[in-house]
Amino acid sequence: DTAVSQTPKYLVTQMGNDKSIKCEQNLGHDTMYWYKQDSKKFLKIMFSYNNKELIINETVPNRFSPKSPDKAHLNLHINSLELGDSAVYFCASSHLTTGGSGDTQYFGPGTRLTVL
Amino acid sequence: AQKVTQAQTEISVVEKEDVTLDCVYETRDTTYYLFWYKQPPSGELVFLIRRNSFDEQNEISGRYSWNFQKSTSSFNFTITASQVVDSAVYFCALTGGSNDYKLSFGAGTTVTVRA
Repeated sequence: DTAVSQTPKYLVTQMGNDKSIKCEQNLGHDTMYWYKQDSKKFLKIMFSYNNKELIINETVPNRFSPKSPDKAHLNLHINSLELGDSAVYFCASSHLTTGGSGDTQYFGPGTRLTVL
Repeated sequence: AQKVTQAQTEISVVEKEDVTLDCVYETRDTTYYLFWYKQPPSGELVFLIRRNSFDEQNEISGRYSWNFQKSTSSFNFTITASQVVDSAVYFCALTGGSNDYKLSFGAGTTVTVRA
């Protein structure tokens, strides 16, 4: 029944570790996104994939690498975790409309990452 | 570049009061889309409304209403007869008209409704 799901919901890890967050959507959308929400609740786009092709790659450290095995999945791998990576990471999905924008993005429940 | 400003950081009201959340946006696009999302204490982001730049009609959905005014670049949100369950962070967001896939969010307004 869940439209956009993420695993895990909570992730607590040590500095320097590598971790992954997984996202799946069953809405039939062709575009998926990763957003980061910082401690002040500010939301910022990180990446977006359309039909497995990267279409948005904001200024994000190279330690972050998205991977989209198919239209319904978008994973986020983070290498060498740092304290500043602690945040809530949201996955979202939408249709990519003609002209390339504007359709509603539906969000997953978020993954709270804590780096110790 | 797109920009969304939510000047109110926090609003506290007593149940049954009305509350209006301000949203002012900046864009150079003639076609653009505006959104409101709700983030309750449980943390998920819930879609509330989408409005395109060519549709300036106000909208009402239950106790929620939205006022879109292109002349002042504003897309304000009113909760009528607020309830405790309305306590949340509310985000206004914007995407551009062409090949601008990302949502640009405002900083959010925290609404606390006291019983």
